[in-house]
Amino acid sequence: AQKVTQAQTEISVVEKEDVTLDCVYETRDTTYYLFWYKQPPSGELVFLIRRNSFDEQNEISGRYSWNFQKSTSSFNFTITASQVVDSAVYFCALKMDSSYKLIFGSGTRLLVRP
Amino acid sequence: EAGVAQSPRYKIIEKRQSVAFWCNPISGHATLYWYQQILGQGPKLLIQFQNNGVVDDSQLPKDRFSAERLKGVDSTLKIQPAKLEDSAVYLCASSPRASGSDHSKNIQYFGAGTRLSVL
Repeated sequence: AQKVTQAQTEISVVEKEDVTLDCVYETRDTTYYLFWYKQPPSGELVFLIRRNSFDEQNEISGRYSWNFQKSTSSFNFTITASQVVDSAVYFCALKMDSSYKLIFGSGTRLLVRP
Repeated sequence: EAGVAQSPRYKIIEKRQSVAFWCNPISGHATLYWYQQILGQGPKLLIQFQNNGVVDDSQLPKDRFSAERLKGVDSTLKIQPAKLEDSAVYLCASSPRASGSDHSKNIQYFGAGTRLSVL
């Protein structure tokens, strides 16, 4: 069975701190895709990144970086120098190669205080 | 490019009443999804359309939920009759059609959702 676990329910940091959101996934498939979405208070899920299972290179985009480790089935997301606008719920999701369906974790609520 | 449009944004009904939600996907996107997001949880897929055909409705409670996408563009999700446990945000998403079996390009883009409260 496929599953995504985001053990951190809520994280609170002060602006400019670095913060890492954890994501652990379970699948027996060899080809799959991992995603991160941001859900601000407006409610819309905003796509942040997609990685496929064959590409373990870490990725950096501005203040955002992602660490994919197949050995530990983890796909962690780090925000460097956090800002108040980063406050949102962040979801990690898994998709099998054979399906369009996204399997979401339960989300991590990030609060960045000024 | 316009995003996924959903209406209404909020709906409050009493149990046993009926309700309908509307979604207009991104122009040209062949695949449309409806997700249910209960408070404190991640979204869960209810139904997926490819053009106007249903691809996956295995998680749709068919005794009370129905959905259609008659012309392969916009879609309607209906609940009849509503139960208290249907209180949730209903999210619509769309994605471009992937060629053949290539699912790698399939990114889902979401609307802002409809927040339903059943009293």
